[in-house]
Amino acid sequence: DIQMTQSPSSLSASVGDRVTITCQASQDISNYLNWYQQKPGKAPKLLIYDASYLEAGVPSRFSGSGSGTDFTFTISSLQPEDIATYYCQQYDNLSRVTFGPGTKVDIK
Amino acid sequence: QVQLVESGGGVVQPGRSLRLSCAASGFTFSSYALHWVRQAPGKGLEWVAVISYDGNNKYYADSVKGRFTISRDNSKNTVYLQMNSLTTEDAAVYSCARDTAARFDSWGQGTLVTVSS
Repeated sequence: DIQMTQSPSSLSASVGDRVTITCQASQDISNYLNWYQQKPGKAPKLLIYDASYLEAGVPSRFSGSGSGTDFTFTISSLQPEDIATYYCQQYDNLSRVTFGPGTKVDIK
Repeated sequence: QVQLVESGGGVVQPGRSLRLSCAASGFTFSSYALHWVRQAPGKGLEWVAVISYDGNNKYYADSVKGRFTISRDNSKNTVYLQMNSLTTEDAAVYSCARDTAARFDSWGQGTLVTVSS
């Protein structure tokens, strides 16, 4: 099975800072990588799909890049409403879907 | 708008069974694969199972294979998760999610399953 790792597991940044989260797959998953945001007590929300495509209605400060095994998620200018846990998710094969362990983002 | 509403959670003793339901509305249910994803308290997301749009293909996480069964009734716009031989490790919020081109674009709010004697 494909394993996903994320780093860091948590981070604290100031409003306006650039925030970067990395996600690594244990084997090549091409660009089959999605990113989700989950706020406390809420359902996850799709932000980025196919590694770099912004879901409709998602602010442009969110972006994603990468392919193969290494992926990056970026918030270009952190806003107070971005406080959440962010998860990557691979789907090289829909018979096996794996989420990363998550990165908790809060405001310094 | 797309809506997914889970039900059926509750408190159950170890070794017992529970059936969860996810009622969908706002889209053509029979055209989409549906997933179950769970989240133990304070933990991350764990994929549980998927069922294809027509119900002919089903896949499970290793942690639930042989104990859980996913099914759907396209006439009722509902997907189910039959959970047998529950253990404390299965305690979590269970959510259903719609699959659009291999991304989970809509989620329900989840239903809480507590496994306790």
